[in-house]
Amino acid sequence: EAGVTQSPTHLIKTRGQQATLRCSPISGHTSVYWYQQALGLGLQFLLWYDEGEERNRGNFPPRFSGRQFPNYSSELNVNALELEDSALYLCASSLVWDQPQHFGDGTRLSIL
Amino acid sequence: SQQGEEDPQALSIQEGENATMNCSYKTSINNLQWYRQNSGRGLVHLILIRSNEREKHSGRLRVTLDTSKKSSSLLITASRAADTASYFCATDALSGNTPLVFGKGTRLSVIA
Repeated sequence: EAGVTQSPTHLIKTRGQQATLRCSPISGHTSVYWYQQALGLGLQFLLWYDEGEERNRGNFPPRFSGRQFPNYSSELNVNALELEDSALYLCASSLVWDQPQHFGDGTRLSIL
Repeated sequence: SQQGEEDPQALSIQEGENATMNCSYKTSINNLQWYRQNSGRGLVHLILIRSNEREKHSGRLRVTLDTSKKSSSLLITASRAADTASYFCATDALSGNTPLVFGKGTRLSVIA
């Protein structure tokens, strides 16, 4: 069984640019979650998609947005990038909301 | 605010010793989960314990849950150098359909 895959592995942007991060969940998983992990910190919940709908959103500004496609893959968009957006962005998927989440290895976003 | 808080923040032990990490949370929960993260990688699910369970085992892992104290512990027995990682607890609220909330993690170093 293929795990959760994220692309790209690394992304370097400058302030004010826009970034798009992609995630493919485990086959059969309809829930996709996005987290931000800044250096040395825990995971901060960003977004949760299920069956194409946004189910919940963390305490992040509107310039963080995303969507889930009919094949359950997802993308995270970050507009007007700021230096503090530099972090590891992790995607996870699960079969249903209260089951273990399976994580990808993340996209390392660096803002110069 | 963060639901789960791990203690200690960092732990250093010799190979073969046991490692104990603790997690406290604030509100009633449905499940509590433990995850491991190797440096710069995604999280790996270790064990899920439901609110009506008190203890669970998986290989060298033993998890306890005390809902009256709103706390959990993770014990790794006979630790190995490969156990070096950060360990996170995560909870989901009893109200349901809410995202997992992760603590900031315990950094475990196992010295060979």
